[in-house]
Amino acid sequence: NAGVTQTPKFRVLKTGQSMTLLCAQDMNHEYMYWYRQDPGMGLRLIHYSVGEGTTAKGEVPDGYNVSRLKKQNFLLGLESAAPSQTSVYFCASSYGTGGISEAFFGQGTRLTVV
Amino acid sequence: LAKTTQPISMDSYEGQEVNITCSHNNIATNDYITWYQQFPSQGPRFIIQGYKTKVTNEVASLFIPADRKSSTLSLPRVSLSDTAVYYCLVGEGNAGNMLTFGGGTRLMVKP
Repeated sequence: NAGVTQTPKFRVLKTGQSMTLLCAQDMNHEYMYWYRQDPGMGLRLIHYSVGEGTTAKGEVPDGYNVSRLKKQNFLLGLESAAPSQTSVYFCASSYGTGGISEAFFGQGTRLTVV
Repeated sequence: LAKTTQPISMDSYEGQEVNITCSHNNIATNDYITWYQQFPSQGPRFIIQGYKTKVTNEVASLFIPADRKSSTLSLPRVSLSDTAVYYCLVGEGNAGNMLTFGGGTRLMVKP
């Protein structure tokens, strides 16, 4: 059981570079989420999706874009990376809405922007 | 989404029972209460969920009073491996629920 898989696990970017983080889930979940977690802080929701082809903004969406072209994949893009985006990024998925369904998290992507 | 308030940190010793209380004064009728656990360098993991009264599983118990304005996560006989951050979330089953996390409670279990 793979669950939720994030690619890559680590990445170092230079300011202004772009990159895409991939999240894949094999549980046929409708809901998917992208979070960022800064040192010593809780998770903050960047964007989420309630189904294939749909996306919505979370708490801190600026500087990020997402796409959900396939149900099993949720991509997070940084068009022009900034040092303030240095963080650990977590992807999660759930069968139903987060309020009542167990969410499963990936192992995280540690991103450093220099 | 109802906002939650938890203690920032707690200390305990191995073998003790730990109770972490979460306040959610604005909880709505359709909201459920869910707790997650996060170890360093890992994503959060679901622990337990409830709507009212008491829920128990192999890991923890969740106590919810009748007014549902607070909830208490109870960890029986903690060990060093229970050292983690514990998050309380409150949300409902309607579409568009965003699954937002607060700051959590950092539990340190000492030998």
